[in-house]
Amino acid sequence: KAGVTQTPRYLIKTRGQQVTLSCSPISGHRSVSWYQQTPGQGLQFLFEYFSETQRNKGNFPGRFSGRQFSNSRSEMNVSTLELGDSALYLCASSLGGEAGNTIYFGEGSWLTVV
Amino acid sequence: DAKTTQPNSMESNEEEPVHLPCNHSTISGTDYIHWYRQLPSQGPEYVIHGLTSNVNNRMASLAIAEDRKSSTLILHRATLRDAAVYYCILRDWGKSGGGADGLTFGKGTHLIIQP
Repeated sequence: KAGVTQTPRYLIKTRGQQVTLSCSPISGHRSVSWYQQTPGQGLQFLFEYFSETQRNKGNFPGRFSGRQFSNSRSEMNVSTLELGDSALYLCASSLGGEAGNTIYFGEGSWLTVV
Repeated sequence: DAKTTQPNSMESNEEEPVHLPCNHSTISGTDYIHWYRQLPSQGPEYVIHGLTSNVNNRMASLAIAEDRKSSTLILHRATLRDAAVYYCILRDWGKSGGGADGLTFGKGTHLIIQP
């Protein structure tokens, strides 16, 4: 069974640009969530989608957005990139987001903003 | 989500058991206890979770105190591959279903395994 797949794995962007990251969840999983990991702030929750609807959102500015498609695949977008957006962006999927369900993480997309 | 407290780091020898503690004194009756670990340069990996009873799986065991205010992740025979940051996380099933919260990661415990 294929795991959570994230693309691209590594990318470098310039300040002010925008970036789109993609995530393919495990087959059958309808909940997809996104996290940002930085050395200073650790792992922080960005948002969660279920059946194409954003159900929950972390404490991030509006420059961070996402969407989920009918096949459960998800994308997240960061506009007007800042140096502080350099981070590992992790996608995770689960069956339905319930607290007892296991959440599976992808290997992440490493974003460097220069 | 209720908070958890873990030691910053722990050290153990290869092939010995490891007991990783987690305090969660403000846990509610609807909080699941989840453990994840993160190996260097990888995404977090699910280890185990439980609600009230002790749990075992192929990776580890989870011992939950009777009052649920603390728990211990037990690696029965540590290997070098178990060197990672281990996160103890509470997840409230009472909030889920119609609006699942994300996982709230703390600093975790950095487990060092000596050969």
